[in-house]
Amino acid sequence: TQLLEQSPQFLSIQEGENLTVYCNSSSVFSSLQWYRQEPGEGPVLLVTVVTGGEVKKLKRLTFQFGDARKDSSLHITAAQPGDTGLYLCAGGDGGYNKLIFGAGTRLAVHP
Amino acid sequence: GAVVSQHPSRVICKSGTSVKIECRSLDFQATTMFWYRQFPKQSLMLMATSNEGSKATYEQGVEKDKFLINHASLTLSTLTVTSAHPEDSSFYICSARNGGPQHFGDGTRLSIL
Repeated sequence: TQLLEQSPQFLSIQEGENLTVYCNSSSVFSSLQWYRQEPGEGPVLLVTVVTGGEVKKLKRLTFQFGDARKDSSLHITAAQPGDTGLYLCAGGDGGYNKLIFGAGTRLAVHP
Repeated sequence: GAVVSQHPSRVICKSGTSVKIECRSLDFQATTMFWYRQFPKQSLMLMATSNEGSKATYEQGVEKDKFLINHASLTLSTLTVTSAHPEDSSFYICSARNGGPQHFGDGTRLSIL
């Protein structure tokens, strides 16, 4: 069974701080997606990484896929209150057919 | 692009009622749709995978006779929770894809009294 361990589970920080969320597995994934979910809404795709060692940037967010495609990280620089939400990583087992979700990281950024 | 619409957004009904939830891909044809369930403060758990024109594939532990899935067209899948009970209360989310990443609907909050 493929599992994705996501950490930390909760993160409460002040505006302007940096943070990193980790997503780890003992399994190899063909792709890794990061989503952000607001309360009462569905997840919104932030990025997809498919190549080992790949780094993608989305404004203040930096996503990295591990060389062995077993782990990923999301780094946010100078967090803002608008970054508050639930961040989910999801591993794809071949062609995005089935996604295995991590438990999520609930981020709260205080002004 | 890649908009997925889910309806209704919220349902409150009595125990024993059957509830149908619709998932539509508005601007693309979805060869595959997925149904998830999310309990409060938890992550998404895949319930079933639905391919257009064929029977849905259910995850282990999900009762196919209780959660009926129909994927009659490339833009519509429905999930019917039959004879719903309070323990079925949850946030149900669908997603759709056509060869690329999954795109999610906004979810349906189901509350069974």
